[in-house]
Amino acid sequence: GAGVSQSPSNKVTEKGKDVELRCDPISGHTALYWYRQSLGQGLEFLIYFQGNSAPDKSGLPSDRFSAERTGGSVSTLTIQRTQQEDSAVYLCASSPYSSGGADTQYFGPGTRLTVL
Amino acid sequence: TQLLEQSPQFLSIQEGENLTVYCNSSSVFSSLQWYRQEPGEGPVLLVTVVTGGEVKKLKRLTFQFGDARKDSSLHITAAQPGDTGLYLCAGATSNTGNQFYFGTGTSLTVIP
Repeated sequence: GAGVSQSPSNKVTEKGKDVELRCDPISGHTALYWYRQSLGQGLEFLIYFQGNSAPDKSGLPSDRFSAERTGGSVSTLTIQRTQQEDSAVYLCASSPYSSGGADTQYFGPGTRLTVL
Repeated sequence: TQLLEQSPQFLSIQEGENLTVYCNSSSVFSSLQWYRQEPGEGPVLLVTVVTGGEVKKLKRLTFQFGDARKDSSLHITAAQPGDTGLYLCAGATSNTGNQFYFGTGTSLTVIP
């Protein structure tokens, strides 16, 4: 079946511009996560959506970052007034929700963002 | 604040050697996962451990969860070039529920 897809795969933008990154999760998965990864480093949690609950935005680094999830499916991460330090790979993951707290996260291939 | 620290950060070994990667924290985790990530791709889950002291084996990979559920190790026997990649541990604390916090990563290169 189809996995998690992200678009675009690469995005080059100029400092100060806004960008939108898209994530299409696996159908039926109620949980969706956004992470940021600097070159060769671990993943930095950004935001978590679970069903119709209010999202956990505790990982967003500044108010320039926001995310939406429409209809419990597709999600968009928006970065306003991009800065060079925003350059990274942005990864999206989805998982079927269970109460056990040990769900598998299925990751997309990521969007590589470069801010010039 | 980084909840999970991995060591070593980089590891380069010859094919056939054994290695161990460590994932340490001062926090207690309800569950811990290990992922492997190859260049240009997202991480792929290898294993989930949930019980203190638990040991899981996946072919040449052995995963152990510390008794106190604060640390974990990944041991690879007779490493092969196909094991090359970035290894990431990820833990969920009891108050984050289904949210996982990732470690700093260990980049492994196995030289043929």
